Amino acid sequence: GAVVSQHPSRVICKSGTSVKIECRSLDFQATTMFWYRQFPKKSLMLMATSNEGSKATYEQGVEKDKFLINHASLTLSTLTVTSAHPEDSSFYICSAKPGQGNEKLFFGSGTQLSVL
Amino acid sequence: QKEVEQNSGPLSVPEGAIASLNCTYSDRGSQSFFWYRQYSGKSPELIMSIYSNGDKEDGRFTAQLNKASQYVSLLIRDSQPSDSATYLCAVTASGGSYIPTFGRGTSLIVHP
Repeated sequence: GAVVSQHPSRVICKSGTSVKIECRSLDFQATTMFWYRQFPKKSLMLMATSNEGSKATYEQGVEKDKFLINHASLTLSTLTVTSAHPEDSSFYICSAKPGQGNEKLFFGSGTQLSVL
Repeated sequence: QKEVEQNSGPLSVPEGAIASLNCTYSDRGSQSFFWYRQYSGKSPELIMSIYSNGDKEDGRFTAQLNKASQYVSLLIRDSQPSDSATYLCAVTASGGSYIPTFGRGTSLIVHP
Protein backbone atom coordinates (compact mmCIF):
# COMPACT_ATOMS: atom_id res chain seq x y z
CA GLY A 1 0.00 0.00 0.00
CA ALA A 2 0.88 3.65 -0.14
CA VAL A 3 3.38 5.01 2.36
CA VAL A 4 3.10 8.26 4.23
CA SER A 5 6.12 9.36 6.22
CA GLN A 6 5.73 11.73 9.14
CA HIS A 7 8.38 13.18 11.37
CA PRO A 8 9.43 13.85 13.95
CA SER A 9 7.75 11.03 15.80
CA ARG A 10 8.18 12.76 19.12
CA VAL A 11 9.07 16.28 20.10
CA ILE A 12 9.41 17.99 23.44
CA CYS A 13 9.60 21.75 23.44
CA LYS A 14 9.38 24.71 25.74
CA SER A 15 6.28 26.84 25.91
CA GLY A 16 6.37 29.66 23.40
CA THR A 17 8.44 27.90 20.78
CA SER A 18 7.26 26.77 17.37
CA VAL A 19 7.31 23.21 16.14
CA LYS A 20 7.17 22.02 12.54
CA ILE A 21 5.84 18.59 11.60
CA GLU A 22 6.40 17.17 8.14
CA CYS A 23 4.24 14.75 6.24
CA ARG A 24 5.43 13.18 3.00
CA SER A 25 3.78 10.80 0.59
CA LEU A 26 6.60 8.55 -0.55
CA ASP A 27 5.17 6.61 -3.48
CA PHE A 28 2.24 8.64 -4.67
CA GLN A 29 1.26 12.21 -5.27
CA ALA A 30 -1.09 13.48 -2.61
CA THR A 31 -3.35 16.21 -3.85
CA THR A 32 -5.12 16.27 -0.51
CA MET A 33 -3.73 15.83 2.96
CA PHE A 34 -5.50 15.92 6.29
CA TRP A 35 -4.17 16.88 9.68
CA TYR A 36 -5.68 15.35 12.78
CA ARG A 37 -5.01 15.63 16.46
CA GLN A 38 -5.86 13.02 19.02
CA PHE A 39 -6.02 13.28 22.78
CA PRO A 40 -5.56 10.15 24.91
CA LYS A 41 -8.43 7.69 24.53
CA LYS A 42 -10.24 10.07 22.20
CA SER A 43 -10.96 9.84 18.52
CA LEU A 44 -9.25 11.64 15.72
CA MET A 45 -10.26 15.26 15.39
CA LEU A 46 -9.84 16.74 11.95
CA MET A 47 -7.97 20.01 12.18
CA ALA A 48 -7.64 21.01 8.56
CA THR A 49 -7.62 19.85 4.99
CA SER A 50 -4.80 20.98 2.80
CA ASN A 51 -4.85 20.94 -0.98
CA GLU A 52 -1.68 21.28 -2.97
CA GLY A 53 -1.18 24.80 -4.17
CA SER A 54 -4.05 26.38 -2.29
CA LYS A 55 -4.88 27.48 1.21
CA ALA A 56 -5.84 24.95 3.80
CA THR A 57 -9.41 24.61 4.96
CA TYR A 58 -9.59 24.69 8.73
CA GLU A 59 -12.26 23.08 10.83
CA GLN A 60 -14.35 25.19 13.12
CA GLY A 61 -12.52 26.10 16.29
CA VAL A 62 -9.03 25.53 14.89
CA GLU A 63 -6.91 28.67 14.87
CA LYS A 64 -5.32 29.00 11.46
CA ASP A 65 -2.75 31.48 12.72
CA LYS A 66 -1.65 29.05 15.37
CA PHE A 67 -1.60 25.94 13.23
CA LEU A 68 0.06 26.91 10.00
CA ILE A 69 -0.32 24.44 7.17
CA ASN A 70 1.68 24.50 3.99
CA HIS A 71 1.16 22.08 1.12
CA ALA A 72 3.65 23.40 -1.37
CA SER A 73 4.16 20.23 -3.37
CA LEU A 74 2.28 17.07 -4.24
CA THR A 75 4.35 15.06 -1.78
CA LEU A 76 4.85 17.34 1.19
CA SER A 77 2.62 19.05 3.72
CA THR A 78 3.82 20.71 6.88
CA LEU A 79 2.04 21.68 10.07
CA THR A 80 3.67 24.33 12.24
CA VAL A 81 2.41 24.79 15.76
CA THR A 82 3.31 28.37 16.54
CA SER A 83 3.94 29.64 20.07
CA ALA A 84 3.13 26.26 21.50
CA HIS A 85 1.55 25.98 24.94
CA PRO A 86 1.01 22.96 27.21
CA GLU A 87 -2.59 22.64 26.02
CA ASP A 88 -1.25 22.01 22.52
CA SER A 89 0.34 18.80 23.75
CA SER A 90 -1.28 16.05 21.74
CA PHE A 91 -0.75 13.34 19.15
CA TYR A 92 -0.78 14.88 15.67
CA ILE A 93 -1.37 12.62 12.70
CA CYS A 94 -1.30 13.43 9.03
CA SER A 95 -3.00 11.45 6.33
CA ALA A 96 -3.05 11.57 2.59
CA LYS A 97 -4.92 10.20 -0.36
CA PRO A 98 -3.84 10.08 -3.97
CA GLY A 99 -6.75 11.88 -5.58
CA GLN A 100 -9.83 13.94 -4.95
CA GLY A 101 -12.22 11.07 -4.98
CA ASN A 102 -13.37 8.56 -2.50
CA GLU A 103 -10.13 6.74 -1.84
CA LYS A 104 -8.82 5.34 1.36
CA LEU A 105 -6.67 7.40 3.67
CA PHE A 106 -3.08 6.51 4.34
CA PHE A 107 -1.78 7.70 7.67
CA GLY A 108 1.59 8.91 8.80
CA SER A 109 3.07 7.43 11.94
CA GLY A 110 2.06 10.40 14.07
CA THR A 111 3.90 12.98 16.14
CA GLN A 112 3.62 13.10 19.90
CA LEU A 113 4.05 16.72 20.92
CA SER A 114 4.79 17.57 24.53
CA VAL A 115 4.98 21.23 25.46
CA LEU A 116 6.58 21.95 28.82
CA GLN B 1 -23.88 17.54 12.00
CA LYS B 2 -22.59 14.27 10.68
CA GLU B 3 -21.91 11.80 13.46
CA VAL B 4 -20.36 8.40 13.73
CA GLU B 5 -21.13 6.52 16.92
CA GLN B 6 -19.23 3.67 18.47
CA ASN B 7 -19.35 2.09 21.88
CA SER B 8 -16.03 2.95 23.51
CA GLY B 9 -15.85 -0.40 25.28
CA PRO B 10 -13.70 -2.03 26.27
CA LEU B 11 -14.98 -5.14 24.57
CA SER B 12 -13.33 -8.16 26.09
CA VAL B 13 -13.36 -11.52 24.33
CA PRO B 14 -11.44 -14.73 24.89
CA GLU B 15 -8.82 -15.87 22.43
CA GLY B 16 -10.39 -17.77 19.55
CA ALA B 17 -13.80 -16.13 19.90
CA ILE B 18 -15.55 -13.84 17.46
CA ALA B 19 -15.31 -10.13 18.25
CA SER B 20 -18.16 -7.98 16.96
CA LEU B 21 -17.64 -4.26 16.66
CA ASN B 22 -20.48 -1.94 15.75
CA CYS B 23 -20.84 1.52 14.31
CA THR B 24 -23.80 3.71 13.42
CA TYR B 25 -23.76 6.89 11.38
CA SER B 26 -26.14 9.77 10.96
CA ASP B 27 -25.62 10.86 7.35
CA ARG B 28 -27.94 8.73 5.26
CA GLY B 29 -26.11 9.71 2.10
CA SER B 30 -22.75 8.39 3.28
CA GLN B 31 -20.89 6.55 0.59
CA SER B 32 -17.85 4.78 1.93
CA PHE B 33 -17.11 3.02 5.16
CA PHE B 34 -13.79 2.07 6.66
CA TRP B 35 -12.48 0.23 9.67
CA TYR B 36 -9.10 1.22 11.04
CA ARG B 37 -7.08 -0.44 13.77
CA GLN B 38 -5.02 1.70 16.10
CA TYR B 39 -2.55 0.40 18.61
CA SER B 40 -1.76 2.59 21.59
CA GLY B 41 0.59 5.40 20.62
CA LYS B 42 0.47 4.50 16.95
CA SER B 43 -1.42 5.88 13.98
CA PRO B 44 -4.43 4.10 12.48
CA GLU B 45 -4.01 1.43 9.84
CA LEU B 46 -6.72 0.43 7.41
CA ILE B 47 -8.30 -2.96 8.02
CA MET B 48 -11.34 -3.01 5.78
CA SER B 49 -13.31 -0.83 3.43
CA ILE B 50 -16.86 -1.44 2.26
CA TYR B 51 -19.01 0.50 -0.14
CA SER B 52 -22.18 -1.49 -0.77
CA ASN B 53 -24.73 -3.32 1.34
CA GLY B 54 -23.86 -6.80 2.49
CA ASP B 55 -20.78 -8.57 3.75
CA LYS B 56 -17.18 -8.27 2.68
CA GLU B 57 -14.66 -10.78 3.91
CA ASP B 58 -10.89 -10.51 4.10
CA GLY B 59 -9.16 -13.26 6.01
CA ARG B 60 -10.39 -13.25 9.58
CA PHE B 61 -12.19 -9.95 9.11
CA THR B 62 -15.71 -9.41 7.81
CA ALA B 63 -17.27 -6.01 7.34
CA GLN B 64 -21.04 -5.78 7.21
CA LEU B 65 -22.94 -2.80 5.89
CA ASN B 66 -26.64 -2.03 6.16
CA LYS B 67 -27.37 1.37 4.69
CA ALA B 68 -31.08 1.21 5.48
CA SER B 69 -30.25 0.88 9.16
CA GLN B 70 -27.18 3.14 8.86
CA TYR B 71 -25.11 0.50 10.50
CA VAL B 72 -21.71 -0.97 9.77
CA SER B 73 -19.96 -3.68 11.73
CA LEU B 74 -16.67 -5.51 11.84
CA LEU B 75 -16.39 -9.13 12.81
CA ILE B 76 -13.06 -10.62 13.79
CA ARG B 77 -13.00 -14.40 13.76
CA ASP B 78 -10.56 -16.47 15.79
CA SER B 79 -9.55 -13.41 17.79
CA GLN B 80 -5.92 -13.25 18.84
CA PRO B 81 -4.27 -11.25 21.63
CA SER B 82 -2.51 -9.30 18.89
CA ASP B 83 -5.92 -8.02 17.77
CA SER B 84 -6.16 -6.07 21.03
CA ALA B 85 -6.38 -2.45 19.89
CA THR B 86 -8.81 0.37 19.32
CA TYR B 87 -10.93 0.00 16.22
CA LEU B 88 -12.06 3.18 14.52
CA CYS B 89 -15.02 3.38 12.22
CA ALA B 90 -14.79 6.04 9.51
CA VAL B 91 -17.52 7.21 7.19
CA THR B 92 -17.09 9.38 4.16
CA ALA B 93 -19.57 12.18 3.91
CA SER B 94 -21.93 12.65 1.00
CA GLY B 95 -21.89 15.78 -1.07
CA GLY B 96 -18.56 15.31 -2.75
CA SER B 97 -16.29 16.43 0.05
CA TYR B 98 -14.91 12.91 0.61
CA ILE B 99 -13.74 13.94 4.08
CA PRO B 100 -14.04 11.00 6.46
CA THR B 101 -15.62 11.35 9.86
CA PHE B 102 -14.25 9.09 12.56
CA GLY B 103 -16.00 7.50 15.47
CA ARG B 104 -14.37 7.60 18.87
CA GLY B 105 -13.27 3.99 18.54
CA THR B 106 -13.96 0.77 20.40
CA SER B 107 -11.27 -0.71 22.56
CA LEU B 108 -10.96 -4.47 22.03
CA ILE B 109 -9.17 -6.71 24.50
CA VAL B 110 -8.52 -10.32 23.55
CA HIS B 111 -7.43 -12.29 26.57
CA PRO B 112 -5.61 -15.62 26.40
